[in-house]
Amino acid sequence: SAVISQKPSRDICQRGTSLTIQCQVDSQVTMMFWYRQQPGQSLTLIATANQGSEATYESGFVIDKFPISRPNLTFSTLTVSNMSPEDSSIYLCSVGSPGQGAFYEQYFGPGTRLTVT
Amino acid sequence: GIQVEQSPPDLILQEGANSTLRCNFSDSVNNLQWFHQNPWGQLINLFYIPSGTKQNGRLSATTVATERYSLLYISSSQTTDSGVYFCAVGVDSSYKLIFGSGTRLLVRP
Repeated sequence: SAVISQKPSRDICQRGTSLTIQCQVDSQVTMMFWYRQQPGQSLTLIATANQGSEATYESGFVIDKFPISRPNLTFSTLTVSNMSPEDSSIYLCSVGSPGQGAFYEQYFGPGTRLTVT
Repeated sequence: GIQVEQSPPDLILQEGANSTLRCNFSDSVNNLQWFHQNPWGQLINLFYIPSGTKQNGRLSATTVATERYSLLYISSSQTTDSGVYFCAVGVDSSYKLIFGSGTRLLVRP
């Protein structure tokens, strides 16, 4: 499976500021995703990061708040903009690796733990 | 959209005990994965199991796709098994995963 790294691993930020999270994979992958895990909750998909085109956002998430870049097949960034305490969460990137047949098994990075004060 | 329900929500075991975690889903799926989230937040892949049965050491999993459920078995539990276990399913060609709410497991020495 691919080795996935994220930077930063954690951060404490002031409200109203922005933070960019990086996700680096050690091999080229087709599928990259960004998830959010609020405290004590499950994971929720923010968006699919598409290489060479705009990300595909899930309901409840918008590009102005969570801009995503995917310049190549091994790297993506997620920016959390104009942060509020409600954005305090773990943000995780994942990549899809071919599984059985045409479907993909997902592997997750170590996550970025964000606290907004 | 599809609903993914996990049970029980919380489970406390004595070291050495066995347990079964369940994942029910409300529609057909093309992907099902089990993850263990350790106390440091890392999600560890346990099984990729859209159908059938797999075993890996003390862990095994069974998915009965026609009846829309999956089971994760943990035998001879250890304190390092503590954490949250998530079931996640994929339902269409987008390949995205929809997560259940998780089962929080505590194994006491």
